[in-house]
Amino acid sequence: AQKVTQAQTEISVVEKEDVTLDCVYETRDTTYYLFWYKQPPSGELVFLIRRNSFDEQNEISGRYSWNFQKSTSSFNFTITASQVVDSAVYFCALSENTNAGKSTFGDGTTLTVKP
Amino acid sequence: DTAVSQTPKYLVTQMGNDKSIKCEQNLGHDTMYWYKQDSKKFLKIMFSYNNKELIINETVPNRFSPKSPDKAHLNLHINSLELGDSAVYFCASSPLKRSYNEQFFGPGTRLTVL
Repeated sequence: AQKVTQAQTEISVVEKEDVTLDCVYETRDTTYYLFWYKQPPSGELVFLIRRNSFDEQNEISGRYSWNFQKSTSSFNFTITASQVVDSAVYFCALSENTNAGKSTFGDGTTLTVKP
Repeated sequence: DTAVSQTPKYLVTQMGNDKSIKCEQNLGHDTMYWYKQDSKKFLKIMFSYNNKELIINETVPNRFSPKSPDKAHLNLHINSLELGDSAVYFCASSPLKRSYNEQFFGPGTRLTVL
């Protein structure tokens, strides 16, 4: 069974600080996909990134970066020089190849960036 | 605009009533989903349809019945509403029934049962 754990329920930082959101997953599949979604206070869910299980390259997109480590079953998300607009709930999700179409979401991490 | 849309955005109703939430996507996607997000922001999948065929049916009370008249629409009907049904319901779609596809979410419907 697939499972995603986001141990950090809430994180609060001051603007310009770096912050890392943790995501640990469990799966028996060798082929799977990991996602991060952002839910700002306005409520909509927005896709941020996808990673497949065969690609452990870290990815950087502007102030966002993702660290995927199969050895620790983790897919962590770092925001560099955080801004108030980064305040949101962030969800990590897992989709197994043998369970096509179903994504399991973590419980989310609420990030508050204070000015 | 291409998007996933839901109606209504807000729904306030009394216990015991029956209500429906509609979802439409004009992205040409084959797969659609319903999620429930509770007050703690936990997001749980309820149903998924692929080309009008039900492919995911999680442990959801029988009072909830999805209907997909075509692959662009997935509606959610709820009978005999209970207080615990109060939540935000999100519709989503993805291009194919594939694990690598990200999902595109609608704006959500906030259901309040009094």
